[in-house]
Amino acid sequence: AQSVSQHNHHVILSEAASLELGCNYSYGGTVNLFWYVQYPGQHLQLLLKYFSGDPLVKGIKGFEAEFIKSKFSFNLRKPSVQWSDTAEYFCAVSPSGTYKYIFGTGTRLKVLA
Amino acid sequence: DGGITQSPKYLFRKEGQNVTLSCEQNLNHDAMYWYRQDPGQGLRLIYYSQIVNDFQKGDIAEGYSVSREKKESFPLTVTSAQKNPTAFYLCASSPPILSGNTIYFGEGSWLTVV
Repeated sequence: AQSVSQHNHHVILSEAASLELGCNYSYGGTVNLFWYVQYPGQHLQLLLKYFSGDPLVKGIKGFEAEFIKSKFSFNLRKPSVQWSDTAEYFCAVSPSGTYKYIFGTGTRLKVLA
Repeated sequence: DGGITQSPKYLFRKEGQNVTLSCEQNLNHDAMYWYRQDPGQGLRLIYYSQIVNDFQKGDIAEGYSVSREKKESFPLTVTSAQKNPTAFYLCASSPPILSGNTIYFGEGSWLTVV
């Protein structure tokens, strides 16, 4: 069965620390990849997405993610986090050409001021 | 403004009662979805619909029902058969696949069974 794994369930960082959140998926075909963020009390928002082309994609608020096909991974990174990045982050995979989206269990990030 | 509107935002239900959550979108998206979000379990798909008058079960459809009579609307009914209905429910929609299938979410509805 298709699945998405986010291994870090809770992450606590100090401001200015670097961030990397892991995301691995299990699906053998072509996929579209997404990271969504849910700030406290707000709805899920798209952070960045990968459909094709350059495997390093840049999103909003200084986030980026790298698609490594051989590792079935799409890790999210940010060089220097801010207190306002405190949120829950979800990785999602959609097999190309389908309306199906599979979400990971989420990573709760807390940034200490 | 274009978007996805869910109502009500907070709902309390007595055990044994059915309740319907509303979801309306004005994004002209073909596909609509219902997810359930529980702490530590991420988003789990309840139902989705690719076109009007058609819908498919997701991973946790038992105890839920949907309809898709209009492109803009995809209401979810939580029936008394749902054993653990207290949760945060998210409605979403996405454009046609060839337009880039990014999924967009509403603000969610909190359902509490008392």
